[in-house]
Amino acid sequence: EPEVTQTPSHQVTQMGQEVILRCVPISNHLYFYWYRQILGQKVEFLVSFYNNEISEKSEIFDDQFSVERPDGSNFTLKIRSTKLEDSAMYFCASSGQGGTQYFGPGTRLTVL
Amino acid sequence: QQQVKQSPQSLIVQKGGISIINCAYENTAFDYFPWYQQFPGKGPALLIAIRPDVSEKKEGRFTISFNKSAKQFSLHIMDSQPGDSATYFCAAKAGAGSYQLTFGKGTKLSVIP
Repeated sequence: EPEVTQTPSHQVTQMGQEVILRCVPISNHLYFYWYRQILGQKVEFLVSFYNNEISEKSEIFDDQFSVERPDGSNFTLKIRSTKLEDSAMYFCASSGQGGTQYFGPGTRLTVL
Repeated sequence: QQQVKQSPQSLIVQKGGISIINCAYENTAFDYFPWYQQFPGKGPALLIAIRPDVSEKKEGRFTISFNKSAKQFSLHIMDSQPGDSATYFCAAKAGAGSYQLTFGKGTKLSVIP
């Protein structure tokens, strides 16, 4: 069964450093998303991406965040200058035309 | 208005019992209501979903009941099993071209033998 994959599974970084989280969505999906989940809290929407551009973003997704689909398979989330409060689980998701979103296993980001 | 309120926060059910988790929303533009199951260290996995033109949907032991006038929906897990122990999130998708999911805060279900 096709699935969304994410790398790395755990990323540790120093405050102020840039991080790039990577995702490989399901191959025939056209819509891509990033969500985050702070430990013990609910899953929060960050951004959606379709046709090589951002279609929606939340208030969390400020100028420190960016997304890119650098090739036909990867979808990345970049955080330019990480803060302590960026520590969270980051989930990539993808969907086809039907809209059902399938989530990857997540990347745990720890900012020290 | 974008919130989805979920209760209870945690739930303990005996094996074989019925688990019931409730969600309520305010935004009438929501047009799709999925439930996700999450095991520790894993991503949310779609369990079952419903659209507001249907009052109930059943898939195996899992049933969603939807009350459009009350703006409430619930997940029922029949014959609950220890393997069902997980965190369950209700969610809602805003309509009109939006694909953003708004999640509830989650319910940690423990099914005891």
